[in-house]
Amino acid sequence: AQRVTQPEKLLSVFKGAPVELKCNYSYSGSPELFWYVQYSRQRLQLLLRHISRESIKGFTADLNKGETSFHLKKPFAQEEDSAMYYCALSKTSYDKVIFGPGTSLSVIP
Amino acid sequence: NAGVTQTPKFRILKIGQSMTLQCTQDMNHNYMYWYRQDPGMGLKLIYYSVGAGITDKGEVPNGYNVSRSTTEDFPLRLELAAPSQTSVYFCASSAATGTQGYNSPLHFGNGTRLTVT
Repeated sequence: AQRVTQPEKLLSVFKGAPVELKCNYSYSGSPELFWYVQYSRQRLQLLLRHISRESIKGFTADLNKGETSFHLKKPFAQEEDSAMYYCALSKTSYDKVIFGPGTSLSVIP
Repeated sequence: NAGVTQTPKFRILKIGQSMTLQCTQDMNHNYMYWYRQDPGMGLKLIYYSVGAGITDKGEVPNGYNVSRSTTEDFPLRLELAAPSQTSVYFCASSAATGTQGYNSPLHFGNGTRLTVT
């Protein structure tokens, strides 16, 4: 069965520092990968997905099939980036979405 | 545009009681999901549905039941509440596939915080 792991429960960085939230997955096929974010007192929402290869709010994520990773990166962290981040996977466009345990990012002013 | 609406927002149950968490969406989405969110565990999929009349188990279905009689509604039933079911429950929906042919984003409700004592 597919699985998503996020090794860091908590991550603290200073404002302006680079940030990387790690995500690894286990699935032998070609999954669809996503990053979802939950800001304080807001609903969970999609941040970005690998297929669209977009940059949202300065965040990017590259799918590395060899390392089965989909790490989320931002060169300069901002205070408003503080939130809970979830990596998620779907085996196909038609399959259910499975989430990792999440990483709580705290950006220190 | 309401999106995904969950009721109630909060509920306290005694062990052994039953209740139904309501979820409705007005986006005509085929796919609907129930997740539970526990600290340090992330979101675990309880049940999901790919359309009216079709439901399937997720990662942690034990102790729960669902039904999908309409496209809009996807209620989650707890028959015999247990302390292990204390959690925050999220309902989500998505279109079958995006216009580009890949998985559409999930739209989440605000959650229901359930405590079983």
